[in-house]
Amino acid sequence: NAGVTQTPKFRILKIGQSMTLQCAQDMNHNYMYWYRQDPGMGLKLIYYSVGAGITDKGEVPNGYNVSRSTTEDFPLRLELAAPSQTSVYFCASNTGQSYNEQFFGPGTRLTVL
Amino acid sequence: GDSVTQMEGPVTLSEEAFLTINCTYTATGYPSLFWYVQYPGEGLQLLLKATKADDKGSNKGFEATYRKETTSFHLEKGSVQVSDSAVYFCALSRKTSYDKVIFGPGTSLSVIP
Repeated sequence: NAGVTQTPKFRILKIGQSMTLQCAQDMNHNYMYWYRQDPGMGLKLIYYSVGAGITDKGEVPNGYNVSRSTTEDFPLRLELAAPSQTSVYFCASNTGQSYNEQFFGPGTRLTVL
Repeated sequence: GDSVTQMEGPVTLSEEAFLTINCTYTATGYPSLFWYVQYPGEGLQLLLKATKADDKGSNKGFEATYRKETTSFHLEKGSVQVSDSAVYFCALSRKTSYDKVIFGPGTSLSVIP
């Protein structure tokens, strides 16, 4: 079981560039999430999905898009990178039961210059 | 709305000292409560959890008790080690349309030899 995997680990973008952060899980979890973590801060939910083909906005969705074509994959797309998107991005998944924990990937550190 | 409050960090302790990190929450109903730990350069991982009032979660020498009357879930360890240096996040989970999880801002712990 690889758990939740994320690629790339690090990336530097120029303002206006676009990129996709990849996330995959092999635990057959229906629920998946994208968070961002700014320095010294907690986690903010960007987007979430409760199953293949179903996605919805979290607290801070502006500037991002997601898709969920399979249970395993939940990519996050940045269309026009801005310095405000410099952050560490975490993907997470769980079974959808509130008493079960979320499983996190190792994170992608993104810098926009 | 739901919220989680943690004691401000950073916290610096000597090895073998006693640790307490305070956590209080605001939520309707009976949420599940969690402590997650984030080691440097890694994603969050579950440390312990409690799913109903008076439950005690424990793992790796850490403990926390779900106190409904004081809406608290304080993290304790009797003797910290250098390897416990990390950021600790208190969180609650309440069953909603997407199993919403609310994270506290995190408390950074440094343990010095």
